[in-house]
Amino acid sequence: SQQGEEDPQALSIQEGENATMNCSYKTSINNLQWYRQNSGRGLVHLILIRSNEREKHSGRLRVTLDTSKKSSSLLITASRAADTASYFCATVPEAGGYNKLIFGAGTRLAVHP
Amino acid sequence: DAGVTQSPTHLIKTRGQQVTLRCSPKSGHDTVSWYQQALGQGPQFIFQYYEEEERQRGNFPDRFSGHQFPNYSSELNVNALLLGDSALYLCASSQGLAGGSKQYFGPGTRLTVT
Repeated sequence: SQQGEEDPQALSIQEGENATMNCSYKTSINNLQWYRQNSGRGLVHLILIRSNEREKHSGRLRVTLDTSKKSSSLLITASRAADTASYFCATVPEAGGYNKLIFGAGTRLAVHP
Repeated sequence: DAGVTQSPTHLIKTRGQQVTLRCSPKSGHDTVSWYQQALGQGPQFIFQYYEEEERQRGNFPDRFSGHQFPNYSSELNVNALLLGDSALYLCASSQGLAGGSKQYFGPGTRLTVT
């Protein structure tokens, strides 16, 4: 079963706009990761945020984590057509999860020129 | 430095047949995990191998089995294929079992069962 749920399921924006995707999860986590997938191929790791962190930045990406609400958000600023992809959040359980990733169903982002 | 590689890229099989998918981890990685991704869904964890042993298993039937070799490469075997096994199969490698280890994914093998 999938732990994370992304919201929205699909997002359509214009180039230059910001895109925000949200993720909710159910159980306590060791960390939460965001991945990008282009055209149903391999996943590309974007950012990892640990359970004791609240915010992380990487280039045009900003991730926040609220463990009290069991939620995270991914913000892509100044989006480009090349950002068109599916974005997934994935959690690593706090207990006994080793490095097992539990994915949500993803958000499909379309950035129009 | 080669990343994670998977073979074959695409595969078409008939119901009831058996299939073997292969994965070579990124250089320096010793842990391999397998995921199944149905169309329009997020990946689902199948199992994870470390030191040639299955360390964790997701909610998949025994028809799904695997192996890890001394060089850390891995195989995923699926017996008695069902139409519902049609999916993208992803392999991910990492260093060790620690929960904070970053995982690197291969391009996947797309399996179609007819």
